[in-house]
Amino acid sequence: GIQVEQSPPDLILQEGANSTLRCNFSDSVNNLQWFHQNPWGQLINLFYIPSGTKQNGRLSATTVATERYSLLYISSSQTTDSGVYFCAVSRQAGTALIFGKGTTLSVSS
Amino acid sequence: GAVVSQHPSRVICKSGTSVKIECRSLDFQATTMFWYRQFPKKSLMLMATSNEGSKATYEQGVEKDKFLINHASLTLSTLTVTSAHPEDSSFYICSARDQREGPDTQYFGPGTRLTVL
Repeated sequence: GIQVEQSPPDLILQEGANSTLRCNFSDSVNNLQWFHQNPWGQLINLFYIPSGTKQNGRLSATTVATERYSLLYISSSQTTDSGVYFCAVSRQAGTALIFGKGTTLSVSS
Repeated sequence: GAVVSQHPSRVICKSGTSVKIECRSLDFQATTMFWYRQFPKKSLMLMATSNEGSKATYEQGVEKDKFLINHASLTLSTLTVTSAHPEDSSFYICSARDQREGPDTQYFGPGTRLTVL
């Protein structure tokens, strides 16, 4: 099956810093989504981005499908950005998302 | 965005009992839902794909007789953990596909934390 690798596994930042999270995947994908899992376990949809670039406030994401990677950018980080960020992909429409192991982000004030 | 709910959010039960978890799509119909489990500080692992009106498809290594899935309507899928044991303690999360706007986007419920004593 498709493999999803995320890096770095852990990231510690001071408030206000910028960061880049990476997601590599081993095969072509139909769907790629970025999630933020809050301390209560809820997965928050950040981006649906199988290709191209999107921005939403301080967050942006870029997926280069031909090179099989996606990047999530967080600018001017805040303590509320802390949590686990997951990248998840699926190869075909209608199939389940396969998750990477996540990046745990800790932002301190 | 689409809303998916789960009930209960937390359950504690004795070993040997069965527990039913409900997953509902609140503002859209979902022909396909997915069930995942997550261990502490780990990623989400797909358990099964639930299709409305047909049998679920289980991932390799998941006991279908232990984790019963029923998708009886376009807005409800249930996961029943039968004869639960402490090793079944985990965080169970469901997701549903929202195809109304075209992209194959999946939305996740808030999860159910199961503790088996």
